Amino acid sequence: GDSVTQMEGPVTLSEEAFLTINCTYTATGYPSLFWYVQYPGEGLQLLLKATKADDKGSNKGFEATYRKETTSFHLEKGSVQVSDSAVYFCALDTGRRALTFGSGTRLQVQP
Amino acid sequence: KAGVTQTPRYLIKTRGQQVTLSCSPISGHRSVSWYQQTPGQGLQFLFEYFSETQRNKGNFPGRFSGRQFSNSRSEMNVSTLELGDSALYLCASSFHNYGYTFGSGTRLTVV
Repeated sequence: GDSVTQMEGPVTLSEEAFLTINCTYTATGYPSLFWYVQYPGEGLQLLLKATKADDKGSNKGFEATYRKETTSFHLEKGSVQVSDSAVYFCALDTGRRALTFGSGTRLQVQP
Repeated sequence: KAGVTQTPRYLIKTRGQQVTLSCSPISGHRSVSWYQQTPGQGLQFLFEYFSETQRNKGNFPGRFSGRQFSNSRSEMNVSTLELGDSALYLCASSFHNYGYTFGSGTRLTVV
């Protein structure tokens, strides 16, 4: 079945450091890929998405490129802020209108 | 534009009872899906509705059910509650395949 694998957390960085959160997937067909962010006590917010190979999603300084050859969708940001501290979820949708999520990666950014 | 509204935000129920959670999607969104989030199992898909029809269902027991009304509002019901049903229940609405917008969730505690 479909699955998403994310790097284990927590990831602890200093402010202005470079961020990478790895995400790889297994799916039939050609899924759409998403990154969601969850702040404490809140639901999920869509951060960015990509619907086909080589697409790059970007938002608020975050970027991720859909790599079909490596089945990956790694999240990157050039300079993190304390306000980026949250849990990040990678997810896919193969068109069955059901998201498959990774286990989430907690990011802690220290001032 | 109002977001996805879930009520109530918090709920405490006793084992064996039943519970109904409500979700109002973004205006114009006809697809509503439900997810369960627990520390152990992560985010898991429950079911998805479109125009009052369930189109997809996750791997949950029959105690979990849902419905959608003609105004696209949706409810999910859990009967004969078990301690393991304690979770954050998230609702998401979607317009075609442009991504999913999540509500803040209902936190259910079963005692």
